[in-house]
Amino acid sequence: AQSVTQPDIHITVSEGASLELRCNYSYGATPYLFWYVQSPGQGLQLLLKYFSGDTLVQGIKGFEAEFKRSQSSFNLRKPSVHWSDAAEYFCAVGARGNTPLVFGKGTRLSVIA
Amino acid sequence: DTAVSQTPKYLVTQMGNDKSIKCEQNLGHDTMYWYKQDSKKFLKIMFSYNNKELIINETVPNRFSPKSPDKAHLNLHINSLELGDSAVYFCASSQGAGTGELFFGEGSRLTVL
Repeated sequence: AQSVTQPDIHITVSEGASLELRCNYSYGATPYLFWYVQSPGQGLQLLLKYFSGDTLVQGIKGFEAEFKRSQSSFNLRKPSVHWSDAAEYFCAVGARGNTPLVFGKGTRLSVIA
Repeated sequence: DTAVSQTPKYLVTQMGNDKSIKCEQNLGHDTMYWYKQDSKKFLKIMFSYNNKELIINETVPNRFSPKSPDKAHLNLHINSLELGDSAVYFCASSQGAGTGELFFGEGSRLTVL
């Protein structure tokens, strides 16, 4: 069965600083990997996804993530954080077939001036 | 023209009552889901329907009964509400089961008193 670990519950960064959110997954085959963002009181919005191919994927809002099979990781990065990036970030893993997405417990991002 | 819409957005009710949450998607997707998000933001799959057929039924009390009258709608009915049912319930849809790219509604916050 798939599982996802987001080791950081809460991260605070200064506006303009770089950001990396960690995600480790457990799955036997090649996973489908996702990052979603949830702003307060909102649903989840897809930032980016990895199915196959280039291991560095670009997403919306200037985010990117890198799939590293050897480390079972799919870390999310942004070179310069904006105050509007403050939100909850979820990493998720999926697979072929009737398998639902499994989400990590989320990382809350706070942005300070 | 919201892609995935849920009603109501907020529900406050007494223990023992029965309540329903409705979900509709206009994306033409064939798979719909209910996820539960607890107070710690953890997202857990409850049910999944593909073309009106139940394909995923996680360990959920049978007080929860999903109904899919057509592939654009997935409703959730909850009987005999308990305090522990308080959560945010998210409806989501995808094209094909298992491809994993989910489109979420804004959530329905249920508070049981």
